[in-house]
Formats: sequence, structure tokens, C-alpha cells
Amino acid sequence: GDSVTQMEGPVTLSEEAFLTINCTYTATGYPSLFWYVQYPGEGLQLLLKATKADDKGSNKGFEATYRKETTSFHLEKGSVQVSDSAVYFCALHSSNTGKLIFGQGTTLQVKP
Amino acid sequence: GAGVSQTPSNKVTEKGKYVELRCDPISGHTALYWYRQSLGQGPEFLIYFQGTGAADDSGLPNDRFFAVRPEGSVSTLKIQRTERGDSAVYLCASSSSENQPQHFGDGTRLSIL
Repeated sequence: GDSVTQMEGPVTLSEEAFLTINCTYTATGYPSLFWYVQYPGEGLQLLLKATKADDKGSNKGFEATYRKETTSFHLEKGSVQVSDSAVYFCALHSSNTGKLIFGQGTTLQVKP
Repeated sequence: GAGVSQTPSNKVTEKGKYVELRCDPISGHTALYWYRQSLGQGPEFLIYFQGTGAADDSGLPNDRFFAVRPEGSVSTLKIQRTERGDSAVYLCASSSSENQPQHFGDGTRLSIL
């Protein structure tokens, strides 16, 4: 069945460092791909999305490119801030079903 | 506008009791989803409604779990004979249609003692 695998955390970075959180997926058909973020004490928020191969999703300085050839959707940010500390979830939306399938989440901690 | 609202935010009950969790979706959203998130894990799908009907209930773990959406808006997730393993955060999400992004509520943290 469809699945999502994320790099394990926690990831600890200094402010202004470059961030990459790896995400790969397995799916039949042509899924849409998402990154959701969960800040401490808050609910899940949609960060960015991409609906087809080679699409780049971007928001708040974060980017991710839908790579069909490597079945990946890695999250990147050029310069992280302390306020980016959160749990990040990669997810796919199967073209055949209504549900989202999530990775296990990656905790990011940014230190001043 | 108002987001997805879930009540209660926290629920503590004893093993064997019955619980109901409520979800009020974003106004006009026809699709509604329930997920369960255990500590340190990503959310896992439980059930999906399109309007009043359950379009996919393949994620419900067993027959103790049931969900309804009688008027195509508010949904209630019902758990009978609760077990300690049911302890988790139960998340609700809604979207304007099946292919649109899902917007999540803050969840109900359920603790079974």
C-alpha cells in the first residue's frame, strides 16, 4: 500500500543554518504531496503542497520539489529561525482515495 | 473565518466507558476526515465522509469505533468499551472537496485510565 518515510529526528540546528528534511514515498497512481507543520501546543497546519511531478511548493521560505524519478519530496529552507522549531510531517494524498497518509514526523529544534 | 473546531479538547475517562468526540468543520466543507495520532507518530486515517455518508471507513480499528455525520456538517466519533490503547489525540480535518487540501482542528486528547 501507499506509504511515506521521513528522516528520523530530532534535527537540531543553529539559527540561520540550512535545513533539509528528507521524505520519500511509495504510491500507486499520481499522488499529491504535502508538508504539514505542528508548532508546540498547536494543531497541524498546511505548510506547502505539490500536485504533480516537478512542481515546487513554497511557503514562509520553505520549499519542496515533487521528484517522481526519485519518489521524493524533501523539505528545504535556506536559513532557519528559532520560530521554525516544530514537528514537520510529510504526507501524500492518493489519487484513488480521500485520505492523507503521513510520515512519522521530524522534530526540528533551532537554537539561537 | 472559523477553522475546524473539536470538542472537548481533553477527555479523561476510565477503561470500559463510552466516549463521544465532536468535530465542527469549516462552513461549506463537504469532506470530513478523522485521524488518530499516537505519541511520536504521524496521524493515521480512521474514516472519511463525503456529505452525510462514510466514503471510506477502512481505518477504523474495530467495531468499537463508529462515526456519524447525520446532516453533512458536524461529525461525532464514538468509541464504546474504551481500552487503554485507545489513548491518543483524535484529529478532525475538513476540505471543500476530496482533492483540496485538508484543514485540521486542534484535536481531542483522549486518555483512558
